[in-house]
Amino acid sequence: GENVEQHPSTLSVQEGDSAVIKCTYSDSASNYFPWYKQELGKRPQLIIDIRSNVGEKKDQRIAVTLNKTAKHFSLHITETQPEDSAVYFCAASTRTALIFGKGTTLSVSS
Amino acid sequence: KAGVTQTPRYLIKTRGQQVTLSCSPISGHRSVSWYQQTPGQGLQFLFEYFSETQRNKGNFPGRFSGRQFSNSRSEMNVSTLELGDSALYLCASSSGGGYGQETQYFGPGTRLLVL
Repeated sequence: GENVEQHPSTLSVQEGDSAVIKCTYSDSASNYFPWYKQELGKRPQLIIDIRSNVGEKKDQRIAVTLNKTAKHFSLHITETQPEDSAVYFCAASTRTALIFGKGTTLSVSS
Repeated sequence: KAGVTQTPRYLIKTRGQQVTLSCSPISGHRSVSWYQQTPGQGLQFLFEYFSETQRNKGNFPGRFSGRQFSNSRSEMNVSTLELGDSALYLCASSSGGGYGQETQYFGPGTRLLVL
């Protein structure tokens, strides 16, 4: 079945630095790749997504890139702020489900 | 629109018991997916329902089951609880027409503790 690998599992940065989280997937038929942010004690919230007909998408300080040939996609956060501290999950679609990576705990220190 | 709701929010059960969790999707959404979240394992897919039919199932034992009602509300049941079933159970809803390729909106989760 579909498998999604996510790295790193933890990431610590200084405020203002950039953070990059990488994911690889196994199902070449996957064509939808969302990223979710989960703050402590809260539900996961969609922050950005990308579809296979697009190579890059930006939303203010957040960007996602997709390389379908290599079957990997990445989340880039620039100018990190303490409120970016959370667990981030990537996911890849199968025919009827989203398969999630195991998450990256991002800590931004001021 | 009101968001996805789940009840109860917290549950404490003992081994061998069974439990039923409920999920009410966003109005108009016909797809409900269930996930188990444990530390270090991320979000593991349990199953997905659309129009009262299970369309997909993850790699969980038969003790985990679910159903969906005509109003799209969904329940999941875990029988013969084991200590390892302690987790946060999340449901997510989507419109359903996109076959897993559309935004899923999560509920707050039900935290289950098995003693």
